[in-house]
Parts: sequence; structure tokens; C-alpha cells
Amino acid sequence: QKEVEQNSGPLSVPEGAIASLNCTYSDRVSQSFFWYRQYSGKSPELIMSIYSNGDKEDGRFTAQLNKASQYVSLLIRDSQPSDSATYLCAVNNNNDMRFGAGTRLTVKP
Amino acid sequence: SQTIHQWPATLVQPVGSPLSLECTVEGTSNPNLYWYRQAAGRGLQLLFYSVGIGQISSEVPQNLSASRPQDRQFILSSKKLLLSDSGFYLCAWQAGGSYNNEQFFGPGTRLTVL
Repeated sequence: QKEVEQNSGPLSVPEGAIASLNCTYSDRVSQSFFWYRQYSGKSPELIMSIYSNGDKEDGRFTAQLNKASQYVSLLIRDSQPSDSATYLCAVNNNNDMRFGAGTRLTVKP
Repeated sequence: SQTIHQWPATLVQPVGSPLSLECTVEGTSNPNLYWYRQAAGRGLQLLFYSVGIGQISSEVPQNLSASRPQDRQFILSSKKLLLSDSGFYLCAWQAGGSYNNEQFFGPGTRLTVL
């Protein structure tokens, strides 16, 4: 079983729609959770971090965490073509950071 | 503000040649430093991490090594490259003193071993 699982996609949404990206993890005692955006050929860029159950909003981005279900998600509202990238989910437990393989998102104009 | 540098940006090396990749961080003291490798279409694999000068932890047994000669400098090396060493090498930093803070990545080095 993979430690951090993401649907590889590609996920395609029209411009202006909500993009929903999902991630599950296997280590029940994980303590911190992150979403990174990675454009093709570039390094990952941190866009959201979440540490407790519930929702955390930052601009057009909302991260959702459910530790009981071992599930973390990222919602992107009003998706723009510039949001087209691969989104990496990362789960950390005391310096043991594990990354998913990423979900490729395409936002079509 | 903090910045992280890596060089070179790209590198093409023959099999059996040595390797030295450098990472430096500015604007912070005593950071935790990390080396990751990303193979094409795959997730990030942690190679080494360091919580201080001279302190290196290895996650994956391989022909690579790491060193931290200064507080904000992290070096990845190899004596003899293998074809399987090709990939995108990423250095990351994290605020020292906590193992659950965010990690921030440098621009990366794309290594091709021929």
C-alpha cells in the first residue's frame, strides 16, 4: 500500500469551475499536511498547509483535512488556465515527509 | 526573506563520472536541509536530511553521499554516477527546531547520466 495516494489524473476542468484534488495517507499519526503546486520542469511550490481537522481557506484555495478518514483535499475555486500544473500532496510525521506522485490538473479556457 | 539556491541548473554527465551538487540557503539560521530526487512522472524520494553541521541522515542506500560543511550549505556527491542516478534533484529547507513545519524547495538540478 502506498503511503500517500493521489489520483494521477489528468483532471480536466473548464475555466471558472471548481477543481477538487484528493489525497489519502496510511500513517494514522501524521501531524502536518501540505499541498504543493509543480509546473512542468519546475520545482514544487508550497501553496497550502493544514494541521488540524476541518477547512482552511487562502484566497481561491481551500484545504480540507479529515484525520479519522486519513483524507486531505484541495479545492481550487474559479479555476484559471494558470492553475494547470501537477499538485503534490505531502504528509509529515516528525521529519518523515512523504509525497504523493501528484495529480495533473488541466484548466481549459 | 529566505531564499534557497541550487546549482548547476542542468547537468549532463557520463556514467562513472563524479558528481557534486550544491545548495545554499539565505535568510535563516540552523535550518533543516533535505535532498530529494524526483524521477520522471514519479513522486519525491527523500535521499538525505541534515539538522546541523556535519549531521547527515541517509534514507536510501545508494552510491550518493551528502555533506553539510556550513550551516546553510548542503552538498550532494557521488564518486561514480550510474544511469539510474538521472533525475531532478531538489534541495529543501525547513525552519530548525521543528519537524512538522513546511519545507521550501530550491529551483532544482536536472541531471542526465549518459
